[in-house]
Amino acid sequence: EVQLVESGGDLVQPGGSLRLSCAASEFTFNNYNMNWVRQAPGKGLEWVSYISASSSTIYYADSVKGRFTISRDNAQNSLYLQINSLRAEDTAVYYCARVLGNILTGNNWFDPWGQGTLVTVSS
Amino acid sequence: QSVLTQPPSASGTPGQRVTISCSGSSSNIGSNTVNWYQQLPGTAPKLLIHSNDQRPSGVPDRFSGSKSGTSDSLAISGLQSEDEADYYCAAWDDSLNGWVFGGGTKLTVL
Repeated sequence: EVQLVESGGDLVQPGGSLRLSCAASEFTFNNYNMNWVRQAPGKGLEWVSYISASSSTIYYADSVKGRFTISRDNAQNSLYLQINSLRAEDTAVYYCARVLGNILTGNNWFDPWGQGTLVTVSS
Repeated sequence: QSVLTQPPSASGTPGQRVTISCSGSSSNIGSNTVNWYQQLPGTAPKLLIHSNDQRPSGVPDRFSGSKSGTSDSLAISGLQSEDEADYYCAAWDDSLNGWVFGGGTKLTVL
């Protein structure tokens, strides 16, 4: 079964940093583009960042640009999100998701999603 | 404020048909396909509909999607108690160079 498992979430003080990981299994990771999506407590979903299979193309939401860095290690079947200068509004469950379809045509979707990892920013 | 607009809530009785709307603009729904995700309480989102109207394997045919112009809708027929969940629409946005989501619709089965 295709699986994504996130880890690395924690309670962090404002201004702090954290590195989230997403371990992929049961599919050829280096063939797929990947995303991070987050969900603040009691709120809706917000796309955070995208990385292509070869890491050649990366996108960020404006809300995290300059503070978050997405990366991947295809040899380790792993996706990462380095989050710096954390703010209270970054408190959320962070999900990784595989991207299917064709990003160039605008016909693409996320499947599957991991179970998420909670990042709490508080002093 | 979400880029895609959904009603915050919807409800129906078992067996009924309910629809959830999703309104966008020319840069997202108007030029790209729409996907729907179901989030059961306390769980991660799950793909429900992709490419406007395609159901992944395992999704019952009670769920259907349709798109018209810059709007989309999710229809659920033969409503069941296990359909009680949050539903989100999403699409790629050409102007933002990223994906946009609706604010989510909480479906209650009365």
